[in-house]
Amino acid sequence: AQSVTQLGSHVSVSEGALVLLRCNYSSSVPPYLFWYVQYPNQGLQLLLKYTSAATLVKGINGFEAEFKKSETSFHLTKPSAHMSDAAEYFCAVSDNTDKLIFGTGTRLQVFP
Amino acid sequence: SAVISQKPSRDICQRGTSLTIQCQVDSQVTMMFWYRQQPGQSLTLIATANQGSEATYESGFVIDKFPISRPNLTFSTLTVSNMSPEDSSIYLCGLGGGPGSYNEQFFGPGTRLTVL
Repeated sequence: AQSVTQLGSHVSVSEGALVLLRCNYSSSVPPYLFWYVQYPNQGLQLLLKYTSAATLVKGINGFEAEFKKSETSFHLTKPSAHMSDAAEYFCAVSDNTDKLIFGTGTRLQVFP
Repeated sequence: SAVISQKPSRDICQRGTSLTIQCQVDSQVTMMFWYRQQPGQSLTLIATANQGSEATYESGFVIDKFPISRPNLTFSTLTVSNMSPEDSSIYLCGLGGGPGSYNEQFFGPGTRLTVL
């Protein structure tokens, strides 16, 4: 069965600093991988997805993620954090079913 | 992408009562899902809402506690029955992207439920 592990429930960065949110997955088949963002009191918004077309995936708001099969990782990065990036971020995996399995989430705080 | 609305957006309920949450989509979708997000936690899939048939529940969730209806391809309801404080959560409906979508899902704004 597939699973997702997000290392670090909280990450704090200064505005303008690099953002790195970690996600490792486990799947018995080539996975589809997703990053979602949840702003306070809102639903989830899809940031980006990996579907095997390219290992480096670019998403909205300047975020990108790199699929590394050898490391079973799909870490999310952004070169320069903005105050508006403060939110909860969820990594999710899906295999050949219609279901998504979510990680436990990482809360990103951005300090001025 | 589809516009998803949920009603109510939030509610405060008494122990032992039931609440029905609605999910409305502005276009027909094949796959609809219901999730629970307990305070400070991730999303847990409750069930897949199947149009015209009984929902498919995940392990740990039962129809008596979370009855689901899906009368058509644009609407679904989730009822939280005989509520207890442990049911205080955000409940979200999710839509499957359909064929060729690589299983991505889109989510409604959620219903924030507090049970006293």
